[in-house]
Amino acid sequence: QQPVQSPQAVILREGEDAVINCSSSKALYSVHWYRQKHGEAPVFLMILLKGGEQKGHEKISASFNEKKQQSSLYLTASQLSYSGTYFCGTAGYGGSQGNLIFGKGTKLSVKP
Amino acid sequence: DSGVTQTPKHLITATGQRVTLRCSPRSGDLSVYWYQQSLDQGLQFLIQYYNGEERAKGNILERFSAQQFPDLHSELNLSSLELGDSALYFCASSPSQGRSNGYTFGSGTRLTVV
Repeated sequence: QQPVQSPQAVILREGEDAVINCSSSKALYSVHWYRQKHGEAPVFLMILLKGGEQKGHEKISASFNEKKQQSSLYLTASQLSYSGTYFCGTAGYGGSQGNLIFGKGTKLSVKP
Repeated sequence: DSGVTQTPKHLITATGQRVTLRCSPRSGDLSVYWYQQSLDQGLQFLIQYYNGEERAKGNILERFSAQQFPDLHSELNLSSLELGDSALYFCASSPSQGRSNGYTFGSGTRLTVV
């Protein structure tokens, strides 16, 4: 039930764009995105609740296709500060309705 | 400071021992989650508490247990420790049951079993 993230790693130059994908095999109620820098705690970026919803956080945005059980995180005009590992966390229907299952992460490195 | 406090930050202990990790959630948050992070496994969900009650269990070993107290702080107890238990343990909190709210993570407890 762990969501699958792709790619596993990506290297960018400053100013380049990237897309990180998150795919689940089960129906999703919500998708969360977090960024973790080395040696630090994951930091919440955004949550997507409805099918087709898109949200933005500075130059980082995301989409959620409920029917395909997929979400994508878009990083545009990347900055050095965007470096880190990005995790998607998914919540399904039923059960405790609370706990997130996280993907294995996508390591993003932005070079000058 | 995220508002979620975890202690201790580092813990080194021997195999077979027992340790207790502590977490104080962000003010107002009722849910507490425990995650284990190792290099090749990402963030593995262990257990969730909501307002003092256990709400969900993940891949938590029988040697591990947790509880949430009336003041909402939580403790994760790890016993009969093995080398493979070495990892970063995160606590996170959210206002409600979590699927509609983002989590706030603490800075983690790095456990090393020798």
